[in-house]
Amino acid sequence: DTGVSQNPRHKITKRGQNVTFRCDPISEHNRLYWYRQTLGQGPEFLTYFQNEAQLEKSRLLSDRFSAERPKGSFSTLEIQRTEQGDSAMYLCASSLLQGAYNEQFFGPGTRLTVL
Amino acid sequence: DAKTTQPNSMESNEEEPVHLPCNHSTISGTDYIHWYRQLPSQGPEYVIHGLTSNVNNRMASLAIAEDRKSSTLILHRATLRDAAVYYCILSPPGGSQGNLIFGKGTKLSVKP
Repeated sequence: DTGVSQNPRHKITKRGQNVTFRCDPISEHNRLYWYRQTLGQGPEFLTYFQNEAQLEKSRLLSDRFSAERPKGSFSTLEIQRTEQGDSAMYLCASSLLQGAYNEQFFGPGTRLTVL
Repeated sequence: DAKTTQPNSMESNEEEPVHLPCNHSTISGTDYIHWYRQLPSQGPEYVIHGLTSNVNNRMASLAIAEDRKSSTLILHRATLRDAAVYYCILSPPGGSQGNLIFGKGTKLSVKP
């Protein structure tokens, strides 16, 4: 297992188009997270899943954003009607919830540019 | 959510120790202190975590003040590969809340 993978690594789209990103977590990790990072800022939490259940969504996750984790394995993040303000790095992380500690392993991210 | 305060940037010379400070005066009794770092063009990676006692691992040491209102990440011998943004993060035990709240972190530059 080589860690968390994300596809595509880069996406350029025109304003108004829909885009979908995929995240494959580390095998058997039951938690999966999505974050967004803009230039010069730390990552901002968007949402997370425990198995297939979406347990928390940030206020940042507008109704144009939807995330799924249908079988508790990979996850997709879709952005509808993209806006220029959606340009950012989208990071996925996974973790195995064991006891009180919850180390998160991050993928390399998908960089979205909206023209 | 408890907040952390870190210097925006720090510089170090290669092979010298680096002490990265973090203030977290509003920390609660059950909050873990985590450090993650983000190398250029990569996702963040875990460095170390602690609750009350000082911690050591192969990457770094974490020194936690007795009142837990501050902590220091110690890199014992900085290498060029340690140049990154270092984030100090607080969170409750993982079972109750999962997400990490990142600040802007400290950008560490390492000079040869």
